[in-house]
Amino acid sequence: DTGVSQNPRHKITKRGQNVTFRCDPISEHNRLYWYRQTLGQGPEFLTYFQNEAQLEKSRLLSDRFSAERPKGSFSTLEIQRTEQGDSAMYLCASSAGSQTEAFFGQGTRLTVV
Amino acid sequence: AQSVTQLDSQVPVFEEAPVELRCNYSSSVSVYLFWYVQYPNQGLQLLLKYLSGSTLVESINGFEAEFNKSQTSFHLRKPSVHISDTAEYFCAVSLHSSASKIIFGSGTRLSIRP
Repeated sequence: DTGVSQNPRHKITKRGQNVTFRCDPISEHNRLYWYRQTLGQGPEFLTYFQNEAQLEKSRLLSDRFSAERPKGSFSTLEIQRTEQGDSAMYLCASSAGSQTEAFFGQGTRLTVV
Repeated sequence: AQSVTQLDSQVPVFEEAPVELRCNYSSSVSVYLFWYVQYPNQGLQLLLKYLSGSTLVESINGFEAEFNKSQTSFHLRKPSVHISDTAEYFCAVSLHSSASKIIFGSGTRLSIRP
């Protein structure tokens, strides 16, 4: 197992464009998390899934953000009508359950110009 | 809802000196606690965790943390740091619940001076 994989690693987009990121978790991990991290800050929780069910979505997340995990395996995070404030590192993590630690991917760095 | 506070955003220490990175959490129910480390230009990786049992947990590279329920703390310590310990350290908490997310603190940047 190669760990949590995120694609792309870097994305530069113009303001107003839509972007989609993909996360492939460690196989057989039923939990998948999305976080956002800006410089000098800790990972900020966005949303998480148990299998294909989205259990919680942060109130800080605007309607422009949506995440899916259609078959309980990989997940996508879409940001519509990007804004400069969306520029950040988007982290994906997976875990085998609530009693275990999360394993993180390398992240996708989004720059909105 | 749970929350995590890391009281120091930066901690500079000399090589071979001891260090303590502070972490306090807030929760009305039992928690699991974690310390993650992020080395320069690398991803987050688990350093150590407390799930249950002994309140003192250790990592393979000499760090230890002690769960103190009465003080709601999970401070990270190392008796003698090395240059290679330079990194950002994040404390995290999740609840004893089947539907709990992991919440992170804002991080402490540990810089080691030779």
